[in-house]
Order: sequence, then C-alpha cells, then structure tokens
Amino acid sequence: DTGVSQDPRHKITKRGQNVTFRCDPISEHNRLYWYRQTLGQGPEFLTYFQNEAQLEKSRLLSDRFSAERPKGSFSTLEIQRTEQGDSAMYLCASSRTDGELFFGEGSRLTVL
Amino acid sequence: AQTVTQSQPEMSVQEAETVTLSCTYDTSESDYYLFWYKQPPSRQMILVIRQEAYKQQNATENRFSVNFQKAAKSFSLKISDSQLGDAAMYFCAYVTPGTGNQFYFGTGTSLTVIP
Repeated sequence: DTGVSQDPRHKITKRGQNVTFRCDPISEHNRLYWYRQTLGQGPEFLTYFQNEAQLEKSRLLSDRFSAERPKGSFSTLEIQRTEQGDSAMYLCASSRTDGELFFGEGSRLTVL
Repeated sequence: AQTVTQSQPEMSVQEAETVTLSCTYDTSESDYYLFWYKQPPSRQMILVIRQEAYKQQNATENRFSVNFQKAAKSFSLKISDSQLGDAAMYFCAYVTPGTGNQFYFGTGTSLTVIP
C-alpha cells in the first residue's frame, strides 16, 4: 500500500518540549497538507506545500510551529515549546490536483 | 469566508435502514467542489462521495448518494441499506478550485449503526 503515512502515530510529551512529526505523501502527489483536528471538530487547515514550496500558512500556525518539505517529498511538522493547547491530532494529506485529498492516519499529540 | 455547517452532532440508524446527514455551506463562489469524508474510529479519513457545483445531477456511489441544492447551499448525504461498517464520523467539506485545494470541513456527524 502506498498511501500517506505518518510517524509517529502517537506522541506524549511534557509541556515545553519540542516534537516533530513526519509525513510521507503518495509518491506522485506534488501537494502536501497539514491539518489539525481537535476533539469534536473537523480538520482545520494549517499549511500546504506544492513540491518544496510552502504556499499557504494558516493564522493557526503560530511561530512555534514550522513545517518543511525539503526535497518536495516527505514533510516534517515541528512544534517547539509545546503547550497543552497543542494537544490534537495532526493530519497530513496529499493530492495531485484540485479535488480529493488523501489522508494519513494522523499523529496524535498529547501534551502533559 | 467559507463555512461549512453540520447541525447533527450525532445520528443513529438501524442496520439496513436509510439515514440522511445534513450539511450546509456558505460561499460567494460559483465554482466549487463538495465532499463527504468518512473517518472510522482510529482510522484515516476516506472519501465517500464528491460533487462538482457545476453539475446539476446528484452524485451517487453505490449505497451513498447526495442531495445537492445549490441555491439553498445544501449538500446532504443519504446512506441506504446501512451496514455496521458505516459507523464513523462523517465530515462535509468544501473547496474552491485554484485556491491550492484548501478544504474547509464541518464539525462532523457521528453515525451509529444499530444491529
């Protein structure tokens, strides 16, 4: 199966620590997206890449958040100095063109 | 700004029966796509059905069909012959072409299927 994969699936960390999530999109997809989903809510857009260029960032993405896609393939999302409010599911998705998004299973972050 | 509203946080349906999930959206665009995504517990979101706004015909995928009312900005999902595997969170989503495929999601409807 060559779907979108995310790692780790679950991360528990203490407040103030840094965490990094990785996403490997479907290989032929040049667009990659990060979404955040909290309990009882739908996914909220964070940022997206076309190839290696980060083209859009949400206001939800504070200065503590940084995303990269250095070679236009996998992407990382780093959260520095985590806060309890960062606890959420972080979803990665990819697409080739406008239309359907293909999602990974998500990385669940718990900040203690 | 685009918003997507799902007014039913929870729904239940008897196995083999039919259920309809509601979704409304707000936009000033004339060209857009609408989607229903399914998110089973601890599983990834998968596409259920898609509708292009310029198409008048309602989309259908096997037991899943939509009622797309463009003027009313309504996009409901009908699940016929409900199965236990249909139990999941269902999200309605909207996207405008040419905006980088930035999706807007509703808050979801949790569907329970009763055996």
